[in-house]
Amino acid sequence: AQTVTQSQPEMSVQEAETVTLSCTYDTSENNYYLFWYKQPPSRQMILVIRQEAYKQQNATENRFSVNFQKAAKSFSLKISDSQLGDTAMYFCAFILLTSGTYKYIFGTGTRLKVLA
Amino acid sequence: NAGVMQNPRHLVRRRGQEARLRCSPMKGHSHVYWYRQLPEEGLKFMVYLQKENIIDESGMPKERFSAEFPKEGPSILRIQQVVRGDSAAYFCASSPPWAGANVLTFGAGSRLTVL
Repeated sequence: AQTVTQSQPEMSVQEAETVTLSCTYDTSENNYYLFWYKQPPSRQMILVIRQEAYKQQNATENRFSVNFQKAAKSFSLKISDSQLGDTAMYFCAFILLTSGTYKYIFGTGTRLKVLA
Repeated sequence: NAGVMQNPRHLVRRRGQEARLRCSPMKGHSHVYWYRQLPEEGLKFMVYLQKENIIDESGMPKERFSAEFPKEGPSILRIQQVVRGDSAAYFCASSPPWAGANVLTFGAGSRLTVL
C-alpha cells in the first residue's frame, strides 16, 4: 500500500526567507505523480506544484520548487521569498500513474506560518 | 468558467438528521470524486463517480453514506442519521474524461458539523 508521511506538523518562517517542507512516501511502483497542495484558511485546496516520477528534472513554479529524490522516496517543497499569503496548511499527495487509478493518498499536512 | 462548486459551505445537523452535500463539477468534467478531511488530517478518498455510475466507493462507510451523480444536476453525497464522528470537511473534485485523475480541480469543501 502507498503511504505519504509529512513529519513536520508545524513550521514558521520569516517573511522573505526560504523554507523547506518535507515529504516522504512509500510505494513499490515506478510510475506515479506527486503533488503539493496548499490549503489556506478558506479551506480551498490549491495545487501548488506537480512532479511526474519519470521526470528527473525538479518541477518549479515561480517561488515554489521541489527536490525530488526518487531513490530516497523524498519530495520536499521549497518556498523562496516567503510571503504572508503563503501562510496555510500544505499537503503532499501521491497518485499512481496506472490506468484505472484515481485515489490520491495525502499526507497529514504541515501548517506553515509566515511571520511579518 | 466557474470552478468546482460545492454547497452548502457550512452545514449544521443534529444527531440522527440527514445531510446532503452537493457538487457541481467544472464545465466539461464528467468525473467526480469525494474526499473527506477529518480535523487535523489529510484528505481521504471516499468515492469516484462518472455520470450515472459509481466507479469506486471503496472509501465510503458501508452504512449511512451514499453518493450519486445523475445525468442532469450536481453530484450528491448523502449521509443519513448523522453522528458526531461525521463532522468533517467534505471535498469534491472533478476531472475531464480525457485527463484522468492526475488533473484534479477541487472545490472549496463543505464543512459538516454534527451537534
